[in-house]
Amino acid sequence: EPEVTQTPSHQVTQMGQEVILRCVPISNHLYFYWYRQILGQKVEFLVSFYNNEISEKSEIFDDQFSVERPDGSNFTLKIRSTKLEDSAMYFCASSEALESDTQYFGPGTRLTVL
Amino acid sequence: GEDVEQSLFLSVREGDSSVINCTYTDSSSTYLYWYKQEPGAGLQLLTYIFSNMDMKQDQRLTVLLNKKDKHLSLRIADTQTGDSAIYFCAETPLSGGYNKLIFGAGTRLAVHP
Repeated sequence: EPEVTQTPSHQVTQMGQEVILRCVPISNHLYFYWYRQILGQKVEFLVSFYNNEISEKSEIFDDQFSVERPDGSNFTLKIRSTKLEDSAMYFCASSEALESDTQYFGPGTRLTVL
Repeated sequence: GEDVEQSLFLSVREGDSSVINCTYTDSSSTYLYWYKQEPGAGLQLLTYIFSNMDMKQDQRLTVLLNKKDKHLSLRIADTQTGDSAIYFCAETPLSGGYNKLIFGAGTRLAVHP
């Protein structure tokens, strides 16, 4: 069964460093998403992406964040200058079409900012 | 605003039924979802219900939707130890253009012998 994959599973970085989290969505899906879950808190929407552009972003998704689909298979989330409060589990998701709206999630990348 | 509320913890005996409840605020939501998260794992889509339905059954899972009260429930029949996990309710509000999921805080289900 097709699945969303994410790498790395765990990333440790120093405050102020740039990180890139990688995702490979399900191959025939057209809509891509990033969510995050701070330990003990709700899963929060960050951004959605379609047709090579952001379709919606939350207040959390400020100028420190960017997303990219560098090729036909990868979808990345870049955090330019990490802060302690960026420590969280980051989930990538994809969906086939907007109307079906069923989002399939990857296993997540745990980001630890020291 | 958009909000989804769930009780935080539920403990059941193996073999009994579990009922996890959720309330949501956005009546425009077209789809409502249940996701399962096992320890250290990602979010696994369990089931979803379209807003014009009252009930959906899928093997041991039954989803009930009360649109008037904006109440969603997930019933797990014959609960097993493998069902121990956190269960998240989620909605897709119209204001989000169906682009984003709004999650509840999750209900931790503990199944004991």
